[in-house]
Amino acid sequence: DQQVKQNSPSLSVQEGRISILNCDYTNSMFDYFLWYKKYPAEGPTFLISISSIKDKNEDGRFTVFLNKSAKHLSLHIVPSQPGDSAVYFCAASGKGAQKLVFGQGTRLTINP
Amino acid sequence: DAGITQSPRHKVTETGTPVTLRCHQTENHRYMYWYRQDPGHGLRLIHYSYGVKDTDKGEVSDGYSVSRSKTEDFLLTLESATSSQTSVYFCAISETGDYGYTFGSGTRLTVV
Repeated sequence: DQQVKQNSPSLSVQEGRISILNCDYTNSMFDYFLWYKKYPAEGPTFLISISSIKDKNEDGRFTVFLNKSAKHLSLHIVPSQPGDSAVYFCAASGKGAQKLVFGQGTRLTINP
Repeated sequence: DAGITQSPRHKVTETGTPVTLRCHQTENHRYMYWYRQDPGHGLRLIHYSYGVKDTDKGEVSDGYSVSRSKTEDFLLTLESATSSQTSVYFCAISETGDYGYTFGSGTRLTVV
């Protein structure tokens, strides 16, 4: 039972345009959501997060949107840069859960 | 990543042999985790620890055991390795358990 789903295994975007990565979840007890970025041969690194009391969080070129009624979140990257090419994982946790549940990941490729 | 190291980085082993992977942290974080990364499955939790000698199972714990005798070390053991355990294994640490994970660089394990 996949509680966090990233239905797009890959996404290709032109440099300078907007990249939108999507994530759906099924567990209504999740109250904190995160995005991690992973380069080849490295561990995932934290990118941005959002609490369920908010619907938007921005950090520079990265914005995460949360739609609780749809159980959906998205990561917007604008403008996209070649260094953004990586695998992006969506993750979620519930209060007191002591662990993160990750999605399958989306491989983002930024084309020059 | 600074503060967390995994060893070995690469290992090839034969089916049926025992294998132990080590995760070492210098951050004194309470929580430690073992995840495996596989294509199409993302990051899946194997086992985690919420203190010395306190461990619990994740979603894919069959065939794995863990031990944490010191705050800084979390060992993952494959009692009798199988080809389905060929994967990249990531250790992570966290102060709180629900966010702020720092991942190691991973161990690529091949079971032949």
